[in-house]
Amino acid sequence: KAGVTQTPRYLIKTRGQQVTLSCSPISGHRSVSWYQQTPGQGLQFLFEYFSETQRNKGNFPGRFSGRQFSNSRSEMNVSTLELGDSALYLCASSFLRTSGSLYEQYFGPGTRLTVT
Amino acid sequence: QQQVKQSPQSLIVQKGGISIINCAYENTAFDYFPWYQQFPGKGPALLIAIRPDVSEKKEGRFTISFNKSAKQFSLHIMDSQPGDSATYFCAASMEETSGSRLTFGEGTQLTVNP
Repeated sequence: KAGVTQTPRYLIKTRGQQVTLSCSPISGHRSVSWYQQTPGQGLQFLFEYFSETQRNKGNFPGRFSGRQFSNSRSEMNVSTLELGDSALYLCASSFLRTSGSLYEQYFGPGTRLTVT
Repeated sequence: QQQVKQSPQSLIVQKGGISIINCAYENTAFDYFPWYQQFPGKGPALLIAIRPDVSEKKEGRFTISFNKSAKQFSLHIMDSQPGDSATYFCAASMEETSGSRLTFGEGTQLTVNP
């Protein structure tokens, strides 16, 4: 099975611009979560989508948004970029199991966003 | 509020030695505790995970020890190899109530010297 794919892998944007990142989950996985990774704050949860509905949201400003499509692919959008938004954005997919962990998550390689 | 604290921040061990990384959590509602391994330029990869009804879980050279009363859990890497050099993250989630949302520790950079 192909793993989680994220596009683009690298992105350079200017302050004030907006950006859209894409995530394709593992086939059959219906849950997609997004995380931000920075040296200072570590790995922080952004939001989770399940069957096209946002099920959980982290403590990020409204400039961060996302959506999920019927094929489970997900996008996240950051509007009015700030320098502090420079980070590795990771997408993770999981499926609902009947035993053990309900949500065993598999991460993609991430999109490295640099805001100048 | 930091809910999962991880130590040490960095760790250097010799090849063949045992690497031990510790985590402590605050929220007793956490019900799933995975460990992730991350190499530079890659996303975190799930190593091993445990639920609070089990005190220990072993998979190959990796073992999780879990102490529910102390709200602590640790990762032991036996016979550490240079290829194990990576950053390790503990995490916790409340699967029953918060789905797949993971709260991560700060990470431990492990270096295994040959």
